[in-house]
Amino acid sequence: GQNIDQPTEMTATEGAIVQINCTYQTSGFNGLFWYQQHAGEAPTFLSYNVLDGLEEKGRFSSFLSRSKGYSYLLLKELQMKDSASYLCAVRDSNYQLIWGAGTKLIIKP
Amino acid sequence: DAGITQSPRYKITETGRQVTLMCHQTWSHSYMFWYRQDLGHGLRLIYYSAAADITDKGEVPDGYVVSRSKTENFPLTLESATRSQTSVYFCASTGEQYFGPGTRLTVT
Repeated sequence: GQNIDQPTEMTATEGAIVQINCTYQTSGFNGLFWYQQHAGEAPTFLSYNVLDGLEEKGRFSSFLSRSKGYSYLLLKELQMKDSASYLCAVRDSNYQLIWGAGTKLIIKP
Repeated sequence: DAGITQSPRYKITETGRQVTLMCHQTWSHSYMFWYRQDLGHGLRLIYYSAAADITDKGEVPDGYVVSRSKTENFPLTLESATRSQTSVYFCASTGEQYFGPGTRLTVT
């Protein structure tokens, strides 16, 4: 079957760095996505990786290793507004997105 | 304003009733998707559409019907609502999945 695993919840301190991991087993791979979702709101697109390596976008970076079925989202200089759920999703061979259950990130002052 | 909108934003209905959730996008994106999101689950795909008059089932299609007569509209109908269909429903478009604001549906 297809499976996306992420930690359920993480806690970090304002100003620090946090890494949110995602492992996947899917039928085919056509890219990995990260989304941010604040409570009561819709998910918003953060990043897309299709090749191995690190993609940097401001305070956020996303890494992919296809051979290991592994990705992480790195958030630097954490701000209180980064408190949200972070969703990992993989596009499979049918070009459908398979979603993880999300990681709730709690930022403490 | 350009974007993707959903209506209604909140809906309470009774078991057995038919209810339609609307989704409208102004970008002319080909692909559109319907998801439901429940606590403890990731987003689950209900139906998707590659273009007008082309629709296909996702992971959890039972109890739902879709149509797409125009590119910009993708309504989702619950033919006979059940309590298990209480959820937050999101419409999205394109491969990167731009999401609408969601509809919170409660079936009593």
